[in-house]
Amino acid sequence: KQEVTQIPAALSVPEGENLVLNCSFTDSAIYNLQWFRQDPGKGLTSLLLIQSSQREQTSGRLNASLDKSSGRSTLYIAASQPGDSATYLCAVRREDSGYSTLTFGKGTMLLVSP
Amino acid sequence: DAGVIQSPRHEVTEMGQEVTLRCKPISGHNSLFWYRQTMMRGLELLIYFNNNVPIDDSGMPEDRFSAKMPNASFSTLKIQPSEPRDSAVYFCASNGGGLFTGELFFGEGSRLTVL
Repeated sequence: KQEVTQIPAALSVPEGENLVLNCSFTDSAIYNLQWFRQDPGKGLTSLLLIQSSQREQTSGRLNASLDKSSGRSTLYIAASQPGDSATYLCAVRREDSGYSTLTFGKGTMLLVSP
Repeated sequence: DAGVIQSPRHEVTEMGQEVTLRCKPISGHNSLFWYRQTMMRGLELLIYFNNNVPIDDSGMPEDRFSAKMPNASFSTLKIQPSEPRDSAVYFCASNGGGLFTGELFFGEGSRLTVL
């Protein structure tokens, strides 16, 4: 059974810092990994999708990397801003008996203070 | 593109009542997922459909829960009878691209409170 772990569970940083969020998964036979952002009381917003054949994806100040063999992904946020405060979740997609399954981590709650 | 649309956004009901949550996926997406989110258990997959057909409903907690997708643009999740432990945020998501490789897009969720 796939397990996804996100470390740290919570992170508080001052504005302007570069930071790294970590995601690890136990089964490396994945199709892709997706990073999401969730604001309080809102749905999940897709940030980046990395297919299993890719090493990284970039969008603005965000960069996500994937090391499938070691079961790890990192989300790098450059020059953090208070508006980046949210919970960040990673999810891995794999096949299980012909079904498509997406397993989520429990998230990292980020607070960026001005 | 309007995104995934869910209704109602908030529902407060009494134990024993029937609850129906609704979802309109993104046009052209052929996979639809229902998730439940609680503080204790995080995000749990309840059921997903591919081309309107239920593929995996192993996450549906018990027979009080049922889901339908009568056409490509509409799905419902029904709880009958509802219980206080069903209180959670219920998300609908639809999948663009391939079932195994596509990107998942979520609605804003339906917050259910059962008294």
